[in-house]
Formats: sequence, C-alpha cells, structure tokens
Amino acid sequence: AIQMTQSPSSLSASVGDRVTITCRASQGIRNDLGWYQQKPGKAPKLLISAASSLQSGVPSRFSGSGSGTDFTLTISSLQPEDFATYYCVQDYNYPLTFGQGTKLEIK
Amino acid sequence: QVQLQESGPGLVKPSETLSLTCTVSGASINNYYWNWVRQPPGKGLEWIGYVYYSGTINYNPSLKSRVTISVDTSNNQFSLRLNSVTAADTAVYYCARRRRIPAAGDAFDIWGQGTAVTVSS
Repeated sequence: AIQMTQSPSSLSASVGDRVTITCRASQGIRNDLGWYQQKPGKAPKLLISAASSLQSGVPSRFSGSGSGTDFTLTISSLQPEDFATYYCVQDYNYPLTFGQGTKLEIK
Repeated sequence: QVQLQESGPGLVKPSETLSLTCTVSGASINNYYWNWVRQPPGKGLEWIGYVYYSGTINYNPSLKSRVTISVDTSNNQFSLRLNSVTAADTAVYYCARRRRIPAAGDAFDIWGQGTAVTVSS
C-alpha cells in the first residue's frame, strides 16, 4: 500500500497567517490526491481533488499543488473557521490511503 | 440534496459481527461508488472498502478477510459487515460517496455524519 506522510502533525498559527501543509507519497501518484478538512465531531469535508482542483463552494484562500510524490495545501489567510484537522488521501491505486492528519490550532 | 445516514448498533461484543447500513436519500444509488471509512478515537482515517451499484467490491487488504460490503439498490442502501471484531475495531464509521468529478479526478464528495461503534463486553 502507498504510504502518505503529512507534515507537520500539528501547527499553531494566527488568524491572517499563511500556512502550508505538506503530504508526501511513498511512490509517485501523478496528481491523484485529495485534501479534506475535518472539524471535531464532524465528517471530513472535501476541499481539493486532483491535487489542485478546488471543490465548488470552498473559499479561494485554499489552494493545492504538487504532483508525483510531493504535495502541498496552502491557506493564504487563515480565518477562524479554518482551525481543524486536514487530511490528504491518495487515489492513485487501492487501497486508498490517508495521511495521518495535520491539526491546525489557534496560536 | 444528497444525504447519507448510517445506522446500526453502537455496541458490539468482541468476536461478534459489526453490522451497519447506510441509507442514501436525495439521489439514486446507481452509478456511484459507495464507501466505508472509519476513524478510531483520536486517530486518523482508514478506508475500509467500496461497493459499486452493480455489486462490484474492493476491500482494504488489511480487513479483507473479515469485511463484507453489499448494496441494496431497491432500498437505496448499502451495508457493512465486519466479523470477529476486537477492541481495535472501535471507531466512528462513516459511509461516503465517491465519484468522478469532471476534470478533477475522483473524490469522496458526500459523507454521512458517522456512527460510533464500541467493541466491548
């Protein structure tokens, strides 16, 4: 199975900050990567698919990039509602595998 | 809009079978991949497997020997059965739709709210 490694595991930031979360695949996965946001007690929410395609309704401050093995999720200006845990997931092949998550906390 | 709702027992005894159903409303179950994903307390997400509306299945090898996912198109539902459960199977179980997003790959676009299952005697 492809292993997905996110970094950092946790991150403290302030409203208005620019933050970047990294996801690395154990082998090349083209651009077959999604990003999800999860808030406590809630289901994950799709933010980005195909590494950089923003889902309809997701604010434009979210962006994704990368291909092959290295990917990033960037939030250009943190808003209070962005504090959550973020997961990447590869859909290059089965089994689908998630990163371990990055918890974004308020500084 | 499309909604998914998980249902089933919240408590299962060790060595018994966990059974959950996901009811799809607002859309037909046809033409999509229907998935189960779980999340142990305080941990990350694990993909369990999918069933296509036609009945085609794909399971995570880590669970393959114990899992069965099936679809009931007449009732717009799909189900998960996980046998021989242990405490390690304690988790929130989510059902989720996976579909091809035009020009934007595949993704889990709709999720149920999740249902907590505890394995304990």
